[in-house]
Amino acid sequence: DTGVSQNPRHKITKRGQNVTFRCDPISEHNRLYWYRQTLGQGPEFLTYFQNEAQLEKSRLLSDRFSAERPKGSFSTLEIQRTEQGDSAMYLCASSFEDGYTFGSGTRLTVV
Amino acid sequence: GQQLNQSPQSMFIQEGEDVSMNCTSSSIFNTWLWYKQDPGEGPVLLIALYKAGELTSNGRLTAQFGITRKDSFLNISASIPSDVGIYFCAGQLSMNAGNMLTFGGGTRLMVKP
Repeated sequence: DTGVSQNPRHKITKRGQNVTFRCDPISEHNRLYWYRQTLGQGPEFLTYFQNEAQLEKSRLLSDRFSAERPKGSFSTLEIQRTEQGDSAMYLCASSFEDGYTFGSGTRLTVV
Repeated sequence: GQQLNQSPQSMFIQEGEDVSMNCTSSSIFNTWLWYKQDPGEGPVLLIALYKAGELTSNGRLTAQFGITRKDSFLNISASIPSDVGIYFCAGQLSMNAGNMLTFGGGTRLMVKP
């Protein structure tokens, strides 16, 4: 098992464009999380799935953000009509019972 | 969003020195976690603490879960150059990792050889 995999690692997009990120969790992990980390800050929780069900959403997840986890395996995070304030590292993590394993993140730059 | 208060924000030390950093919260947590993050990578778990008063070691790292459940500290003994990175504390309400983590702002550690 290669751990939590995130693609792409880097994304540069123009303001107003839509972007989609993918996360492949550790295969036996049933829980999947998305966090956002801006420069100089700790990660902030966005949303959480248990299997395919999205169980928690932060108020940081505006209506331009949508996350899915079809079939309870990989997950996608889409940002529509990107804004410069969306520039950040988007981290995915997965867990089974105890302890998270984080991926390496997708760094988004909106120009 | 809400974050834990982590201090110091940065430290620049000589190789071989011991390091101490701490984290405080206005809220109670049931689990405290300490992570290290290298540039361009995700956080990696160093130590997990599940019980108030618990003192846990992992090699040169020692962490404690405060009695009030509102604070934690991390010590690194005999620092080496590869200890360089950003250290984050995180609190969790649920003991089975089903809920979100609340992170501190990080302590940036720099080690001079």
